[in-house]
Amino acid sequence: EAGVAQSPRYKIIEKRQSVAFWCNPISGHATLYWYQQILGQGPKLLIQFQNNGVVDDSQLPKDRFSAERLKGVDSTLKIQPAKLEDSAVYLCASSLSPVPGETQYFGPGTRLLVL
Amino acid sequence: GQNIDQPTEMTATEGAIVQINCTYQTSGFNGLFWYQQHAGEAPTFLSYNVLDGLEEKGRFSSFLSRSKGYSYLLLKELQMKDSASYLCAVRSTGTALIFGKGTTLSVSS
Repeated sequence: EAGVAQSPRYKIIEKRQSVAFWCNPISGHATLYWYQQILGQGPKLLIQFQNNGVVDDSQLPKDRFSAERLKGVDSTLKIQPAKLEDSAVYLCASSLSPVPGETQYFGPGTRLLVL
Repeated sequence: GQNIDQPTEMTATEGAIVQINCTYQTSGFNGLFWYQQHAGEAPTFLSYNVLDGLEEKGRFSSFLSRSKGYSYLLLKELQMKDSASYLCAVRSTGTALIFGKGTTLSVSS
């Protein structure tokens, strides 16, 4: 079974530029999550989708971050404009359903460096 | 607020046993997860506890006490490949996970 795919794996941009990340979850997984992991910290949820609907985006900085999952499969996360503090690993995860106990499977992440 | 605490770093030797503790204070509780994360890689699932008690899975075991807001991950017969960061995560309300900062375990020969 293929895992969660993410691209690009690495990205270096200058502040105030824009950047987009792509995620393809495990086939059949209805729930998709984007997490931000700053160096030395645990992942922090940015947004959760159930199919193509947003379940939780309470911690998404909506003035600069946006995300979509138009067809309920792939998802993109965009930052515009980027700030230095956005340097982090952006992890995508998916699970079969949102029920408690359902395991989340993580992709390899996109490492973003903002200069 | 939501708070998950675990030690920052631990060291151990090959063949030994190590226990990584995690305490949590969250507004709700729907289960506790442990993930392993090697440097530069994605977190991988280790264990899930929702009821009090011990869950054993090979060399790894995880314990939960909901009344104390406490969990531990026990690693037996340590191997060099166990050197990694171990993340404690709680499912509070909703289904997303709240992660601790992680415990970096270094295993030496």
